Amino acid sequence: NAGVTQTPKFQVLKTGQSMTLQCAQDMNHEYMSWYRQDPGMGLRLIHYSVGAGITDQGEVPNGYNVSRSTTEDFPLRLLSAAPSQTSVYFCASSYSLILATEAFFGQGTRLTVV
Amino acid sequence: RKEVEQDPGPFNVPEGATVAFNCTYSNSASQSFFWYRQDCRKEPKLLMSVYSSGNEDGRFTAQLNRASQYISLLIRDSKLSDSATYLCVVNKDYGGSQGNLIFGKGTKLSVKP
Repeated sequence: NAGVTQTPKFQVLKTGQSMTLQCAQDMNHEYMSWYRQDPGMGLRLIHYSVGAGITDQGEVPNGYNVSRSTTEDFPLRLLSAAPSQTSVYFCASSYSLILATEAFFGQGTRLTVV
Repeated sequence: RKEVEQDPGPFNVPEGATVAFNCTYSNSASQSFFWYRQDCRKEPKLLMSVYSSGNEDGRFTAQLNRASQYISLLIRDSKLSDSATYLCVVNKDYGGSQGNLIFGKGTKLSVKP
């Protein structure tokens, strides 16, 4: 049982480049989300989705786009990378939309923007 | 007041010690409360949910005080393997979905032999 799979695990980008972080889950969860984790800041919600075709912004959405064409996949796109986007990115999924339930996280993507 | 506030530590304790972590949250409408554990350079994983009546899972006890908007985690008989960062988590309503989680910055625990 794979759970939540994120790729790549590591990435170095140059300022201005774009890229897509991939996230897939095989638990048939409706709710998926992206967080970034920075030293001293904790995990902050970037975007989330409550089902295929439905996405919304979290706390720190600027510079990122998401889409949800299937229940399984929730990619995060960096439009024009900036050094401030250097961070560890986690994708998560959970079962319930009504009440918060256990979130299952991917292993993370360590992104460095130079 | 920050949405979820924790003492960052680090807490350095000997094996066998009892250690307590505290957390306060600002949104009185929050309905769901959790403690997650995050090992160094790993993803967070659920340690336990926190219920109004308090709950226990082996050496771990979680308490919730809604009136004071306060959550606690007690670890008894600490093991070396308990060394990690403990994240206090509450839910928040973004755009009508109660499923969003707000994470505290975490409390780092180091258990020494």
